[in-house]
Amino acid sequence: VLTQSPEFQSVTPKEKVTISCRASQSIGTSLHWYQLKPHQSPKLLIKFASQSFSGVPSRFRGSGSGTDFTLTIDSLEAEDVATYYCHQTSSLPWTFGQGTKVDLK
Amino acid sequence: QVTLRESGPALVKPTQTLTLTCTFSGFSLRTSGLCVSWVRQPPGKALEWLALINWNDDKYYNTSLETRLTISKDTSKSQVVLTMTDMDPVDTATYYCARMREPFYYYAMDVWGQGTTVIVSS
Repeated sequence: VLTQSPEFQSVTPKEKVTISCRASQSIGTSLHWYQLKPHQSPKLLIKFASQSFSGVPSRFRGSGSGTDFTLTIDSLEAEDVATYYCHQTSSLPWTFGQGTKVDLK
Repeated sequence: QVTLRESGPALVKPTQTLTLTCTFSGFSLRTSGLCVSWVRQPPGKALEWLALINWNDDKYYNTSLETRLTISKDTSKSQVVLTMTDMDPVDTATYYCARMREPFYYYAMDVWGQGTTVIVSS
């Protein structure tokens, strides 16, 4: 089970955003982060806990290992308004966190 | 350029069987290590992984839905088909297919289709 916190986060542009994902058991670094906007498909941001996917802005950073992981957006831009999901591929069945919705104040 | 596109009925009745097709380009399931996966998102809810098939025709299912799901591939047509039996209104969701690679512990689903919305209602 993956538990994300917070569920909602209202922030101002250029503010730093931190999203936590906690696994119920150790998953090494088999943890990935997705961004999902309404009426779009999920976009891969970070794979293997901390590796940025091709074309993803450098303001998105991932860290962590074992059971505790973090997605950081260093300086939020308006286009980053979305729901963010963590996802583990350490063991089947793969699971997703419940999502963290980020919007503007 | 890698693309995937889901197709299938927009509306199914309860107890019917849903058949979804993922047609992809830019890669082949003849290539060692490549896979296609299915994920869904019910309205207002989180993403849920459903199933995966790899280049070697190995199949993996979400255990909570395993008895209802079947995944298959037609390599010559670059298609992966997912069937889900005994559909229920709780299965109303947007269904996505996505490319995946092996080993699973290292890779993520990196390219996704645009999704297809399925409503289950009588």
